[in-house]
Amino acid sequence: DIVMTQSPDSLAVSVGERATINCKSSQSILYSSNNKNYLAWYQQKPGQPPKLLIDWASTRKSGVPDRFSGSGSGTDFTLTISSLQAEDVAVYYCQQYYSSRSFGPGTNVDIK
Amino acid sequence: QVQLQESGPGLVKPSQTLSLTCAVSGGSISSDDSHWSWIRQPPGKALEWLGYIDYRGNTFYKSSLKSRLTISRDTSKNQISLELSSVTAADTAVYYCARGELTWDYWGQGTLVTVSS
Repeated sequence: DIVMTQSPDSLAVSVGERATINCKSSQSILYSSNNKNYLAWYQQKPGQPPKLLIDWASTRKSGVPDRFSGSGSGTDFTLTISSLQAEDVAVYYCQQYYSSRSFGPGTNVDIK
Repeated sequence: QVQLQESGPGLVKPSQTLSLTCAVSGGSISSDDSHWSWIRQPPGKALEWLGYIDYRGNTFYKSSLKSRLTISRDTSKNQISLELSSVTAADTAVYYCARGELTWDYWGQGTLVTVSS
């Protein structure tokens, strides 16, 4: 099974500053035949279901603000919030879909 | 706009079977290439994908739950269902149904199921 890890567990960033979340998979989730990374990012606010932000490691979903961006390949990935807003306070999860499906443990993002 | 709504008992006794239903509106569970998944989240913990049923009724389960899990559908009611047998306290979680095979774009609000005697 592919194990996903995230760092940090939590972070606090001032409004308008950059927030960076890292995600690592226990094996490569880059499929060589199509050169795609099978990784997604979700945002979950308290009492709500997760919201899909990004798939294929870097493809932002429709309606997601462009301050959210995803990068990385192979086993190491990053979600960046370029200018944190108050409404971005949430837990963020990475998820692989290369082999079965599994989530990272989550990163809690708060306002400093 | 697709909407999903989970329902079922909020309390299940250990060793019994947990049964939930997900009512889908705004789209057919039989529409081409659609997949419908169950995902759970223990209180304060991370998400865990359980399995899915596709538009043809084919199922695919997380390997560690395969012996206890059944996902089915009722096309006449446009609903999908989950049954998890021999439950323990470790199965206490918010259970979500969601649309998707690889990733999930529409989710229900979730229903909390507590396993306790």
